[in-house]
Amino acid sequence: EDKVVQSPLSLVVHEGDTVTLNCSYEVTNFRSLLWYKQEKKAPTFLFMLTSSGIEKKSGRLSSILDKKELSSILNITATQTGDSAIYLCAVDALNYGGSQGNLIFGKGTKLSVKP
Amino acid sequence: DGGITQSPKYLFRKEGQNVTLSCEQNLNHDAMYWYRQDPGQGLRLIYYSQIVNDFQKGDIAEGYSVSREKKESFPLTVTSAQKNPTAFYLCASRARGSYEQYFGPGTRLTVT
Repeated sequence: EDKVVQSPLSLVVHEGDTVTLNCSYEVTNFRSLLWYKQEKKAPTFLFMLTSSGIEKKSGRLSSILDKKELSSILNITATQTGDSAIYLCAVDALNYGGSQGNLIFGKGTKLSVKP
Repeated sequence: DGGITQSPKYLFRKEGQNVTLSCEQNLNHDAMYWYRQDPGQGLRLIYYSQIVNDFQKGDIAEGYSVSREKKESFPLTVTSAQKNPTAFYLCASRARGSYEQYFGPGTRLTVT
């Protein structure tokens, strides 16, 4: 059965800390891995990764995929209270559900950044 | 402004009643999805539709039904057969050839 596992499930840090969130997956016919940030309502897109070893970066956030280890990490440097959210990892597996474009989500990591 | 709208934001129903959640998009996306999110859980796929007049069951379709009569609209009905309907429901859409799904703001359904 295809699955995506995120760790830790929750994390409390102080402003200025650097955090690393983990995502591992076991899927057939992997196509891409996506990271989303969910604050109160709709998840918002952060990164999409398809190639191993190529870092995607946006401000203080960065992410990289390791296809050999079937995993990805999301790094946040110099955390701020506004980074408090649930971070969701999802994998797009080509044959999942018999169609393209269906995402398998992990349970998410709840990050709390204290002032 | 292009986007996905879901209504209502909050919905309260009595047990035994069917309820329909609305999802509309003006992004001209072909595919649309319904997810359910419970506390401490990720998103679980209920139903999805790749084109108009066609839809497929996801992982947890029991007790739910959908229709896709128009490209822009993908309403979800939570029937009385759904044993634990209280949850946060998210609708998403995706453009053909894209991996990214865009999410609506969600509807929080409470059934008592």
